[in-house]
Amino acid sequence: AQTVTQSQPEMSVQEAETVTLSCTYDTSESNYYLFWYKQPPSRQMILVIRQEAYKQQNATENRFSVNFQKAAKSFSLKISDSQLGDTAMYFCASLISSGSRLTFGEGTQLTVNP
Amino acid sequence: EAGVAQSPRYKIIEKRQSVAFWCNPISGHATLYWYQQILGQGPKLLIQFQNNGVVDDSQLPKDRFSAERLKGVDSTLKIQPAKLEDSAVYLCASSINRGNTIYFGEGSWLTVV
Repeated sequence: AQTVTQSQPEMSVQEAETVTLSCTYDTSESNYYLFWYKQPPSRQMILVIRQEAYKQQNATENRFSVNFQKAAKSFSLKISDSQLGDTAMYFCASLISSGSRLTFGEGTQLTVNP
Repeated sequence: EAGVAQSPRYKIIEKRQSVAFWCNPISGHATLYWYQQILGQGPKLLIQFQNNGVVDDSQLPKDRFSAERLKGVDSTLKIQPAKLEDSAVYLCASSINRGNTIYFGEGSWLTVV
């Protein structure tokens, strides 16, 4: 079974600063994917970034980057130059390659303050 | 490329009434999912289709929830009769195939009063 844990229910950051959201996961599979999704108040789940477990290089998408520590089963999201539009709930999720059940963490509510 | 389409966006019904939600996945996506997200929680998978077949419905309350994807394209999720605890956002999602990135629709908000 897969589990995903986000230990920070809420975080806040000043506009233009950098913030890091934490996520740990547990899986017995060797092939899997990890994701960060953003959910604004509209409740649409928007893909932010994706990491394949077999890749050592950390994924980067514009201002968003991850720190993937496979041995520690850690997958944190760094948001640089935070913008007001980044205010949202952020979910970490895992997906094993052979299956399709996306397992979500509890979410971290991020607020970017002007 | 068009995203996952869902309707209606909002629905308010009384308990014991029925409701149906519709979803059209991204073109060419074989796998379709229905998730339930209760306020303050992460989404929970209700049912997963691979083309027109059910792959996983282990968390679907089958006494009141049903879903179909008859032609392997669009899908309908029905709740009958609704309970107060069914108030949630129902998210439809799709992926090219199992094990690939999953893309979500805007969700259908249900309030049961």
